Amino acid sequence: AQTVTQSQPEMSVQEAETVTLSCTYDTSENNYYLFWYKQPPSRQMILVIRQEAYKQQNATENRFSVNFQKAAKSFSLKISDSQLGDTAMYFCAFMKLLNTGNQFYFGTGTSLTVIP
Amino acid sequence: DSGVTQTPKHLITATGQRVTLRCSPRSGDLSVYWYQQSLDQGLQFLIQYYNGEERAKGNILERFSAQQFPDLHSELNLSSLELGDSALYFCASSVAPLGEQFFGPGTRLTVL
Repeated sequence: AQTVTQSQPEMSVQEAETVTLSCTYDTSENNYYLFWYKQPPSRQMILVIRQEAYKQQNATENRFSVNFQKAAKSFSLKISDSQLGDTAMYFCAFMKLLNTGNQFYFGTGTSLTVIP
Repeated sequence: DSGVTQTPKHLITATGQRVTLRCSPRSGDLSVYWYQQSLDQGLQFLIQYYNGEERAKGNILERFSAQQFPDLHSELNLSSLELGDSALYFCASSVAPLGEQFFGPGTRLTVL
């Protein structure tokens, strides 16, 4: 079975600083996808960034980037120039590819607070 | 606004009852996913449909069932409700199975 572990239940960062959220996963699959989702107080789930396991290059989306270490099964999220609007729960997710569809596994989340 | 709609926004019911949650995917999206988020927990994947067919199952209880209709909207049926079923239920849609998922605002279910 696949598991996703986020070992930091809560984190805080000063506005404009950089923060890294950790995520590790366990799988025997070779091809899969990884995601970071943001859930602000509104509870809306928003995709932050995604990484295909077959790609060696780390994904980047503006201020958000990942450090994908496939051998170590690690997928951390770096937020640069943190903004107040980044305050939210962040969930790491693993997508297993099936012949017919996809299965998703989510971590328990990291609550990030950006301090003005 | 993701373009995914879910109704109702809130639902309060009693143990033992049955409820139906509805999801309308974004225009053009063929794939629908259902998730359960219990209080202060991550999301649990329940089930995926693609163009009317069930494609993948997660931790969905036997008391729960879902379907996707020809117009692509989907319904999640929860029966014999228990207190522990109280949660936020999300629907997400994507244009294709590997496409980006867009989440709806969720339905908050409270079982008393």
